[in-house]
Amino acid sequence: QLQLQESGPGLVKPSETLSLTCTVSGGSISSSSYWWGWIRQPPGKGLECIGTIYYSGSTDYNPSLKSRVTMSVDTSKNQFSLNLSSVTAADTALYYCARQGLGIRAAFDIWGQGTMVTVSS
Amino acid sequence: DIQMTQSPSSLSASVGDRVTITCRASQGIANFFAWYQQKPGKVPKLLIYAASTLQSGVPSRFSGSGSGTDFTLTISSLQPEDVATYYCQRYNSAPQTFGQGTKVEIK
Repeated sequence: QLQLQESGPGLVKPSETLSLTCTVSGGSISSSSYWWGWIRQPPGKGLECIGTIYYSGSTDYNPSLKSRVTMSVDTSKNQFSLNLSSVTAADTALYYCARQGLGIRAAFDIWGQGTMVTVSS
Repeated sequence: DIQMTQSPSSLSASVGDRVTITCRASQGIANFFAWYQQKPGKVPKLLIYAASTLQSGVPSRFSGSGSGTDFTLTISSLQPEDVATYYCQRYNSAPQTFGQGTKVEIK
């Protein structure tokens, strides 16, 4: 059964870079049938898609965050990563990684448990 | 950007009631559309994709309909375990966007 697990620092200082990794187990990140995404949820608020990445390295970022976001994939480790630069308190959120299908099936069907990231000095 | 507007923002209904949540897209999105359930303190769970296809393992009391700009999630008989916030999502193009959520409570 496919599982995703986020990892990374829980506290990041303002203006620094938030870095998270999602490890995929029970399946291959190199499947041609899926994209892999990052979604975040500020405390008490709704969901925001940060972006998605394909195993080939193709990316699709939310334009509102595009200038600060970099995603990468490491197929040898079955992981994909998120870097968000120049963070502020507004980036404090629960960060999820998730699997996304293709075409009409492109909803996020499997999610990690989420990791809370707080931006504070 | 295409915006998603959910209504109502919250509702309270009795066990066994039929509950309907709607989501409207500011532009047509065909049926590139999903519904998620997020129970308190839990991870979002995919309920429906392609506007009306029930995800495997989801109880049949959940159903989705619509295409284009107007979509509906229906719970045919509300159960206590359905207390959650429900989100719609469009995925026809970037940026994929979620609705603001509908909180469902038991009366």
